[in-house]
Amino acid sequence: GQNIDQPTEMTATEGAIVQINCTYQTSGFNGLFWYQQHAGEAPTFLSYNVLDGLEEKGRFSSFLSRSKGYSYLLLKELQMKDSASYLCAVIDSNYQLIWGAGTKLIIKP
Amino acid sequence: IAGITQAPTSQILAAGRRMTLRCTQDMRHNAMYWYRQDLGLGLRLIHYSNTAGTTGKGEVPDGYSVSRANTDDFPLTLASAVPSQTSVYFCASSDKGGSYGYTFGSGTRLTVV
Repeated sequence: GQNIDQPTEMTATEGAIVQINCTYQTSGFNGLFWYQQHAGEAPTFLSYNVLDGLEEKGRFSSFLSRSKGYSYLLLKELQMKDSASYLCAVIDSNYQLIWGAGTKLIIKP
Repeated sequence: IAGITQAPTSQILAAGRRMTLRCTQDMRHNAMYWYRQDLGLGLRLIHYSNTAGTTGKGEVPDGYSVSRANTDDFPLTLASAVPSQTSVYFCASSDKGGSYGYTFGSGTRLTVV
């Protein structure tokens, strides 16, 4: 079966750095997304990785290792507004998007 | 309209009633999707459409139907609602095989009592 694993919840301090991991087992791989979802709102696009390596976009970076079936989202200089759920999703060989259950990130002052 | 519009925003529905959730996009995306999101389970695909005139079943299609008469509209119908269909429903669209990301509507919070 297809499976995406992420931690259920993480806590971090304002101003710090946090890394949210995602491991996947899917039938094929055509890319990996990270989305942010604030409570009661729709998911919004953060990043897309299809090749191995690090993609940096401001305070957020996303890393992919296809051989290990592994990705992480790195958030730097954490702000209170970063409190949200972070969803990892993989495009499989049929170009269907497989979603993880999400990681709820709690930022403390 | 900018992006995806869903209606209604929220609804309380009596069990056994029929309900259509509306979804309209103005981005001319080929593919559209309906997801339900339940606490702890993440997003689960109900139905999808890769292009106007075609539809397909996702992970949890039972009790739901869709149609795609044109590029912009993708309504989701619950023929006879049951309490287990209480959820938040998101409509999404994508183009270029999805590699440019999915755009989501703001969601419909449905409670079946």
